[in-house]
Amino acid sequence: DADVTQTPRNRITKTGKRIMLECSQTKGHDRMYWYRQDPGLGLRLIYYSFDVKDINKGEISDGYSVSRQAQAKFSLSLESAIPNQTALYFCATSNTAGGTQYFGPGTRLLVL
Amino acid sequence: TQLLEQSPQFLSIQEGENLTVYCNSSSVFSSLQWYRQEPGEGPVLLVTVVTGGEVKKLKRLTFQFGDARKDSSLHITAAQPGDTGLYLCAGEGGTSYGKLTFGQGTILTVHP
Repeated sequence: DADVTQTPRNRITKTGKRIMLECSQTKGHDRMYWYRQDPGLGLRLIYYSFDVKDINKGEISDGYSVSRQAQAKFSLSLESAIPNQTALYFCATSNTAGGTQYFGPGTRLLVL
Repeated sequence: TQLLEQSPQFLSIQEGENLTVYCNSSSVFSSLQWYRQEPGEGPVLLVTVVTGGEVKKLKRLTFQFGDARKDSSLHITAAQPGDTGLYLCAGEGGTSYGKLTFGQGTILTVHP
């Protein structure tokens, strides 16, 4: 079984809708991250959490919110989706600062 | 904001050729990681370099961290079709403590 899972794997939604992307991990790591990937832009950090009570904005947090429900779960919400949020979204975990990040398989989101 | 400039963005070569991917910054990083990503999957760590001037080898892949810890390179010898994928460098440290700053990525295609 995969250590980092993301649901859904694909999602099509309409402008203005609220959607939630979910991430679960069985690695026992405290640190979790949400990234978006766009062609030619690499991975950009949206939000990160170093433990259950810690939430931090990344470089592109506008239009997004997160919830860390437990050590194993970190959810990303788009409150009112817009077309330029169409992208591939990845969740990742790590157990140390600067340590290896373990990525989920990604969620492909299309906002019409 | 720390930036990592990765080049080239695209690389298309024949099997057996050698290639080098570069990752440059004006900022100093505590460590530099290289990831490989295949279609439909999340990035997977190849190597982490932490010491200025460090060279690490992984079979036909050679990774180098610059003496000033501002740049890194990935050299592949005798590329094979199985090397095809997206290669990403990521730096940690400085203002990016505990989180990674990613380069834009290099899409490598190795033709049989």
